[in-house]
Amino acid sequence: GAGVSQTPSNKVTEKGKYVELRCDPISGHTALYWYRQSLGQGPEFLIYFQGTGAADDSGLPNDRFFAVRPEGSVSTLKIQRTERGDSAVYLCASSYGGGYNSPLHFGNGTRLTVT
Amino acid sequence: AQKVTQAQTEISVVEKEDVTLDCVYETRDTTYYLFWYKQPPSGELVFLIRRNSFDEQNEISGRYSWNFQKSTSSFNFTITASQVVDSAVYFCALSDPNTGNQFYFGTGTSLTVIP
Repeated sequence: GAGVSQTPSNKVTEKGKYVELRCDPISGHTALYWYRQSLGQGPEFLIYFQGTGAADDSGLPNDRFFAVRPEGSVSTLKIQRTERGDSAVYLCASSYGGGYNSPLHFGNGTRLTVT
Repeated sequence: AQKVTQAQTEISVVEKEDVTLDCVYETRDTTYYLFWYKQPPSGELVFLIRRNSFDEQNEISGRYSWNFQKSTSSFNFTITASQVVDSAVYFCALSDPNTGNQFYFGTGTSLTVIP
């Protein structure tokens, strides 16, 4: 079956602009996660959705970052007033039921470059 | 606090050699899960294995094997008779009920298999 799909694969934007990153999880997976991966680092947690609601957004670095999942499937990560420090690969993952014992299944990521 | 340490940043081996990737973790919980992921140059993180804290039995899957030792808080990954296709960055991750649904990743070990 289809895996986690993320679009765009690459995004270049100017400092101060607004960007949206999209994630389409595996069908039937109720849990959806956003992670951020900087060069040479492991993925870092941003936010977790169970269904439509953000169950844990403690990893969002500041209020410029926001994510939604209005129908419990596709999710959009939104970044306002982008800064050069936001440049990273943004990874989306989904799992069947959520929970600390359910493996995450990742997409290919969106590479965001802020110039 | 939860922490995963992968002390080996980069490893190079010649094809057909065996290689072990180290993972040391920290958690105050007695219940937790450990995971290994592979990130090939294409970028997608691929789930390899999950192990719960109550199961210390070593596992073998083809050329891959995992050695879980609670006494040393380690969950090491061995590739036997390495192949060029094994070249990737490998991440160890930890999750437990007290972190909600956050998975903590190490910084990864970049493995290069030289033909």
